[in-house]
Amino acid sequence: QVQLQESGPRLVKPSETLSLTCTVSGVSISPYSWSWIRQSPGEGLEWIGYIDNSGSTNFNPSLHSRVSISIDTSKSQFSLRLSSVTAADTAVYYCARVKYCNSSGCPGHYYYMDVWGKGTTVTVSS
Amino acid sequence: SYELTQPPSVSVSPGQTASIPCSGDKLGDKFAFWYQQKPGHSPVLVISQDVKRPSGIPERFSGSNSGNTATLTITGTQAMDEAVYYCQAWDTNAIVFGGGTTLTVL
Repeated sequence: QVQLQESGPRLVKPSETLSLTCTVSGVSISPYSWSWIRQSPGEGLEWIGYIDNSGSTNFNPSLHSRVSISIDTSKSQFSLRLSSVTAADTAVYYCARVKYCNSSGCPGHYYYMDVWGKGTTVTVSS
Repeated sequence: SYELTQPPSVSVSPGQTASIPCSGDKLGDKFAFWYQQKPGHSPVLVISQDVKRPSGIPERFSGSNSGNTATLTITGTQAMDEAVYYCQAWDTNAIVFGGGTTLTVL
């Protein structure tokens, strides 16, 4: 079955760049879109952004200026970079597969996450 | 930006029906999705496109969406359903989550 595994440094210093990778197994990465979501301690879910199967990206407006998402189909991985981090970026970071319908033939446009990774905790601290 | 509003908590007795609302401007014109998250675990999709149950989700989970409110309904609630439930929609190129509702079964 489809499995996603986040990896990357658990501790990042303030003002530095957070980098995480999600490794996809059980399915080809190419046909799908992929997303990052985070959850601050004791808080709700916050969508960070996604990369679609053409390589186009879309980000949460509140994070847009600091976020990038890329994909490496040869390694079946996609990655998140979040620059200029502060303590407010301390969170559990999840990667997930995105299902969507956004063409004129759709009954209505939608995007949602059907498979999630287990999440990785990233702490921003000096 | 688009906002989805959920009550912070809902309580239900075992075997009874739990209803968790999610409100947003003209939400009924969009598709609503629901995720269940238990402590220490990642979210699990329980309702897709307003009313669809993914494979493996018990029949006691159902959804509806009309007007400004989407509702997740759990019929015959069990102790194992105790969790935080998040609604989600898509609006103007953004994926939006509600703040989450803690369902307590007592």
